[in-house]
Amino acid sequence: GAGVSQSPSNKVTEKGKDVELRCDPISGHTALYWYRQSLGQGLEFLIYFQGNSAPDKSGLPSDRFSAERTGGSVSTLTIQRTQQEDSAVYLCASPRGGPLAGGATDTQYFGPGTRLTVL
Amino acid sequence: DAKTTQPNSMESNEEEPVHLPCNHSTISGTDYIHWYRQLPSQGPEYVIHGLTSNVNNRMASLAIAEDRKSSTLILHRATLRDAAVYYCILRSNYGGSQGNLIFGKGTKLSVKP
Repeated sequence: GAGVSQSPSNKVTEKGKDVELRCDPISGHTALYWYRQSLGQGLEFLIYFQGNSAPDKSGLPSDRFSAERTGGSVSTLTIQRTQQEDSAVYLCASPRGGPLAGGATDTQYFGPGTRLTVL
Repeated sequence: DAKTTQPNSMESNEEEPVHLPCNHSTISGTDYIHWYRQLPSQGPEYVIHGLTSNVNNRMASLAIAEDRKSSTLILHRATLRDAAVYYCILRSNYGGSQGNLIFGKGTKLSVKP
């Protein structure tokens, strides 16, 4: 597709359940970011993938959060034993990647996000 | 990344120009000025970026002060669809966590018909 897609668009779950959120980045873009945005707040960085390099997981808030990227394309963010404070919009971004990824002139293309509500 | 300061909110009338200010007094010589916006219930959207010279694209214009301590995003004719939160950020080739974006609170632009 032409843009970044995410699924599901909305997810309501009960506290303690596991959830999986999916991101399909722009074809050919080698880098991928996950962010989350709580109501009325700015972006919170979660994790970054760049090609075959080890991901930068420095933003993951706890060990209940994990992410993988298969075949350098689709990425899945998994939250285990969800808590109410995990409720937020989870956003995936696909920057141009390559030498420009993360650089001063790089721009990021965001998906529509997944709104997660933990009851 | 250096800090930016924006007004919390602004109002505009439809079809009138809008000037959204951003202060970044601690900007370094290698920092680029980027603008993103986020429409209601959507992911952020890249708008424009620049270094020293003013920039124009199909979405907006970016006017950068000569001392680079401030910039202004210009929407030439606001439409209802331009109602969004506008974020001004600085991007550097150095520091940060692999280039992730750091958004502040931004400016919430309301457009009146």
